[in-house]
Amino acid sequence: KAGVTQTPRYLIKTRGQQVTLSCSPISGHRSVSWYQQTPGQGLQFLFEYFSETQRNKGNFPGRFSGRQFSNSRSEMNVSTLELGDSALYLCASSLGQGTVEKLFFGSGTQLSVL
Amino acid sequence: ILNVEQSPQSLHVQEGDSTNFTCSFPSSNFYALHWYRWETAKSPEALFVMTLNGDEKKKGRISATLNTKEGYSYLYIKGSQPEDSATYLCAPKNSGAGSYQLTFGKGTKLSVIP
Repeated sequence: KAGVTQTPRYLIKTRGQQVTLSCSPISGHRSVSWYQQTPGQGLQFLFEYFSETQRNKGNFPGRFSGRQFSNSRSEMNVSTLELGDSALYLCASSLGQGTVEKLFFGSGTQLSVL
Repeated sequence: ILNVEQSPQSLHVQEGDSTNFTCSFPSSNFYALHWYRWETAKSPEALFVMTLNGDEKKKGRISATLNTKEGYSYLYIKGSQPEDSATYLCAPKNSGAGSYQLTFGKGTKLSVIP
């Protein structure tokens, strides 16, 4: 069974640009969550999608948005990039049928904003 | 946003030593506690999901206990091996709003010296 796939693996952007990251969950998983990891910080929750609906959103500005498609693949978009957006972005999938399920993480997208 | 504390922040142990770390979290509205292992250059991997006070989980040489009344969990590693070197993350989940998100601690970075 293929794992969670994130693309691209690395991205370099400049301030003011926008970026789209992609996440393909494990087959059969309908929930996709996104997390941001910055140096010195723990994984911070961005949002969670289930069946194309956002169920939870973390405390991030509106520049961060996401969506989920009917095949459960998810994208997150960051507009008007700032230097502080440089981070590792991880997505995780689960069946989404209960809140005690383990999350299965992808390898992440390392975003550098110059 | 839950206040999650993990201690120690890092530690070095000799191969063969046993060790343990602590995860502290608010006991009110507790629902579940996740533990993940994150090896360098890999994806976070789920170890345990625990829900009941007094719960004890075991996976090989790694075990975890949970005290929901006082808001802490211990992770134990018996006979540490170099392959145990990783950052260990805990993430409590409460029963309130945001039940589909995890709040991760900053982790305990374990280095096992051969």
